[in-house]
Amino acid sequence: GQNIDQPTEMTATEGAIVQINCTYQTSGFNGLFWYQQHAGEAPTFLSYNVLDGLEEKGRFSSFLSRSKGYSYLLLKELQMKDSASYLCAVMDSNYQLIWGAGTKLIIKP
Amino acid sequence: GAVVSQHPSRVICKSGTSVKIECRSLDFQATTMFWYRQFPKKSLMLMATSNEGSKATYEQGVEKDKFLINHASLTLSTLTVTSAHPEDSSFYICSARIQDTEAFFGQGTRLTVV
Repeated sequence: GQNIDQPTEMTATEGAIVQINCTYQTSGFNGLFWYQQHAGEAPTFLSYNVLDGLEEKGRFSSFLSRSKGYSYLLLKELQMKDSASYLCAVMDSNYQLIWGAGTKLIIKP
Repeated sequence: GAVVSQHPSRVICKSGTSVKIECRSLDFQATTMFWYRQFPKKSLMLMATSNEGSKATYEQGVEKDKFLINHASLTLSTLTVTSAHPEDSSFYICSARIQDTEAFFGQGTRLTVV
């Protein structure tokens, strides 16, 4: 079966760095996405990785290792507004998105 | 990025009535749109894939007669919840993709059936 695993909840301090991991087992691979979702709102796109390596975009970076079925989202200089759920999703061989359950990130002052 | 507009954002309806939710791609043509349902503190659950000009493809366990999907044009897909019941209360989200790249999401619709 297809499976995406990410931690349920993480806590970090304002100004610090946090890494949210995602491991996956899917039927084929056509890219991995990270989305941010604030409570009661729709997800917003953060990053897309299809090749191995690190993609940096401002305070957010995303890493992918296809051989390990592993990705992480790195958030630097954390701000209170970064408190949200972070969803990992993999596009399988049929170009369908398989979603993780999301990681709730709590930022403390 | 591309914009997907979903309307209404919130709706309260009486049990037994039908509710229509619209999803529009404002600045691109979407041959495929997706409808998701999200329960509190749960991940997105794909309900169906909507293809312009053809019937929607429903996921296992989703009642096609209850959740009617119409993709009448390249910029509009609608989801109609027919004969709504309180257990249909949920957050419904649509998304559209440009070819096989990132998905853009509508704002979501919070449906409450009383």
